[in-house]
Order: sequence, then C-alpha cells, then structure tokens
Amino acid sequence: KQEVTQIPAALSVPEGENLVLNCSFTDSAIYNLQWFRQDPGKGLTSLLLIQSSQREQTSGRLNASLDKSSGRSTLYIAASQPGDSATYLCAVKELKAAGNKLTFGGGTRVLVKP
Amino acid sequence: DGGITQSPKYLFRKEGQNVTLSCEQNLNHDAMYWYRQDPGQGLRLIYYSQIVNDFQKGDIAEGYSVSREKKESFPLTVTSAQKNPTAFYLCASNSGYGYTFGSGTRLTVV
Repeated sequence: KQEVTQIPAALSVPEGENLVLNCSFTDSAIYNLQWFRQDPGKGLTSLLLIQSSQREQTSGRLNASLDKSSGRSTLYIAASQPGDSATYLCAVKELKAAGNKLTFGGGTRVLVKP
Repeated sequence: DGGITQSPKYLFRKEGQNVTLSCEQNLNHDAMYWYRQDPGQGLRLIYYSQIVNDFQKGDIAEGYSVSREKKESFPLTVTSAQKNPTAFYLCASNSGYGYTFGSGTRLTVV
C-alpha cells in the first residue's frame, strides 16, 4: 500500500530564507505527484504537478523536483514571504490506482516570520 | 470562472440526523471525489465517481452515501451511522491531468 510522508510536520523560518519541503513515497510506480497549498479553514490550491517522466517543474518562486527511483519529491520556495505561511501537502497518483485516486501526505505547516 | 462550489461552508448536525453536503463543478470534469480531513491528518478518500450514475467506495465510506445523477453535481450525505462525523470535508474533481478542490465544508456535531 502506498504511503506518503512529509517531514517535518512543521517548519518556521525568517522572511527571506529559502524553504525546502520534503515528500517521500513508498511505491515508485506513480503516474504523477502534485503539490498543494492549504490556508487555515480553506480548500486546497494546486501549486505544481510533476508527471512521472519529469524531473522538475517551476512556477515563479516555486520549484518542485521528483526522483521517482528514490521515492522523493522536494518543493523549494525561494525568498520566503509571510504570505507563504500555510500548510503544504503533496499527493501521488499511482499507476495502478483505480479511479485516479490520490494518496496524500500529512502536510508540512510553514510559518514565515517577518 | 470555472471551479468547484461547496455549500454550506459550515454545517451543524444533531445526533441521529442525516445531513447532505453539496458539491457542484463547472469544469466539465468526469471524475469527482469526496475527502475527509481531520486535524493533523492527511486527506482520506470517502467516495469517488468517474462517470454519471456510477460511484465507488473509498477508504472510509462507512456511514456516508453519495449520488451522481448529473455530471456537475456530487452530493455527499453523512448519515446517522457515521459515529464521528465532525471533520472538514473537501470535494474535488479531476480532468485526468490534475485535481481541483473546492473550499470545503466544516461539519460539527452538536
């Protein structure tokens, strides 16, 4: 059974520092991996989606890498700002998952201090 | 704008009551999903539907029911059989490329 883990569960950094968020998964037979942002009491906002054939995706200050063989993805947020404070979740879609289901990690709660 | 609308934002349920959470999408996506989120935990799949008039149980379907009579709509009913329904419920749709989520419904038992 696929398991997705995000460590650490919480992270606090001063404004301006680069953020590095980790996601690991146990079964490398994935179709894609998606990073989401969730603000308190809100739904999930998609940040980046990486197909299994890709090594990385970039959008503005965000860069996500994928190493399928080692079961890892990393989300980098450059020059963090207080507005980046949120919970970040990663999720994988397995090749054999019926219904294109996602398996989620527990999330990393990020606080960027001014 | 295309997206997913969930209503209500907050819902209170008395013991023994059934309540229905609404989810509507105008993205023309075939697949729709219901997830439950508890504090400090990841999302867990309740039900999903890949096509109209068809749906499948997820990992925690007990005490829940759904219908999919229209492509745009995928309501979730939390029945009295669900013993611990207090949670944040999220509806999502999938184009085959990526997921889009609604803003969620917070259900509280009173």
